[in-house]
Amino acid sequence: ETGVTQSPTHLIKTRGQQVTLRCSSQSGHNTVSWYQQALGQGPQFIFQYYREEENGRGNFPPRFSGLQFPNYSSELNVNALELDDSALYLCASSSPGQGTEQYFGPGTRLTVT
Amino acid sequence: RKEVEQDPGPFNVPEGATVAFNCTYSNSASQSFFWYRQDCRKEPKLLMSVYSSGNEDGRFTAQLNRASQYISLLIRDSKLSDSATYLCAVNLASLDMRFGAGTRLTVKP
Repeated sequence: ETGVTQSPTHLIKTRGQQVTLRCSSQSGHNTVSWYQQALGQGPQFIFQYYREEENGRGNFPPRFSGLQFPNYSSELNVNALELDDSALYLCASSSPGQGTEQYFGPGTRLTVT
Repeated sequence: RKEVEQDPGPFNVPEGATVAFNCTYSNSASQSFFWYRQDCRKEPKLLMSVYSSGNEDGRFTAQLNRASQYISLLIRDSKLSDSATYLCAVNLASLDMRFGAGTRLTVKP
């Protein structure tokens, strides 16, 4: 196991609602990246947090936002949910000092109805 | 053109076969390269990093060709348990990774 945890495991929301997903990084890792994986696709980079600051962002609208806490855990917030937001949301932790390998948590499967 | 492209397959091979996957990337500044394995409805798991000199881990061999901008994964003596989707990933100097859509492998008895 990677030691990366995510909660909740599954979530069902209604269009227009807001959701918060949580991730705890592997011990010793100070960087968390978030990805969205739609069915049949590879993970798409949403953003990355390093030492509590956003360190890069993919092609996602501002209604996708995040936080990183002093213990390096992280949250992904999505406002005004749309049907197309239904996907597996993955977080991955890494540490620059240990190379760029990223280790994924089990993911949160979000369904928007 | 997509940043990272893979043949989606599926690849259906018998046990014991050798199978190879290729992955091409568009950004010549890409610095790190990886293969991940993803089982159905599970998270991607790091299979191996890909180094310029090529690297081997048991039945798995990864190669990098910077000039042609592709990476490859060779699986020898396929096992039933190798059935999964194989994702290639590349990243630039920053830590965000760009993934291919994955190649699906089914190993049959």
